[in-house]
Amino acid sequence: GQNIDQPTEMTATEGAIVQINCTYQTSGFNGLFWYQQHAGEAPTFLSYNVLDGLEEKGRFSSFLSRSKGYSYLLLKELQMKDSASYLCAVRDSNYQLIWGAGTKLIIKP
Amino acid sequence: NAGVTQTPKFRILKIGQSMTLQCAQDMNHNYMYWYRQDPGMGLKLIYYSVGAGITDKGEVPNGYNVSRSTTEDFPLRLELAAPSQTSVYFCASSYEASSYEQYFGPGTRLTVT
Repeated sequence: GQNIDQPTEMTATEGAIVQINCTYQTSGFNGLFWYQQHAGEAPTFLSYNVLDGLEEKGRFSSFLSRSKGYSYLLLKELQMKDSASYLCAVRDSNYQLIWGAGTKLIIKP
Repeated sequence: NAGVTQTPKFRILKIGQSMTLQCAQDMNHNYMYWYRQDPGMGLKLIYYSVGAGITDKGEVPNGYNVSRSTTEDFPLRLELAAPSQTSVYFCASSYEASSYEQYFGPGTRLTVT
């Protein structure tokens, strides 16, 4: 079966760094996505990895290891507005997105 | 551009009633998707469409129907609503299957009692 695992909830302090992990087992791989979803809102795209390595975009970075079926999202200089759920999704061999349940990130002052 | 729009935002249905969730996009995207999101769960694909006149089932299609008569519109029909269909429904679109991102509508929160 297809499975994506990520922690249910994480807590971090404003100004700090947090790493959200995602492991996956899917039928085929055509890229891994991270989305941000604030409570009561729609998901919005954060990052995309298809090759191994680190992709950096401002305060956010995403890493992929295809051989390990592993990715992480790194958030630096945390701000209160970063309090949200972070969704990991893998595009499978049929080009459909398989979604993790999301990690709720709580930022404390 | 309005992006992806959905109506209604909220709806309460009684068991056995039917309704249509509307979705429209003005980005000339070929691909459109319907997802449901239950609390604590990942998004599940209900149906998707690769262009006008072409639709296909996703992971959880039972109890739903779709149509795609135009590029812009992709309505989702619920027949004989059941409590198990209580969820938040998101419509999304992308230019093609290999696009970097899908653009999501604001969602419809549906309760079936």
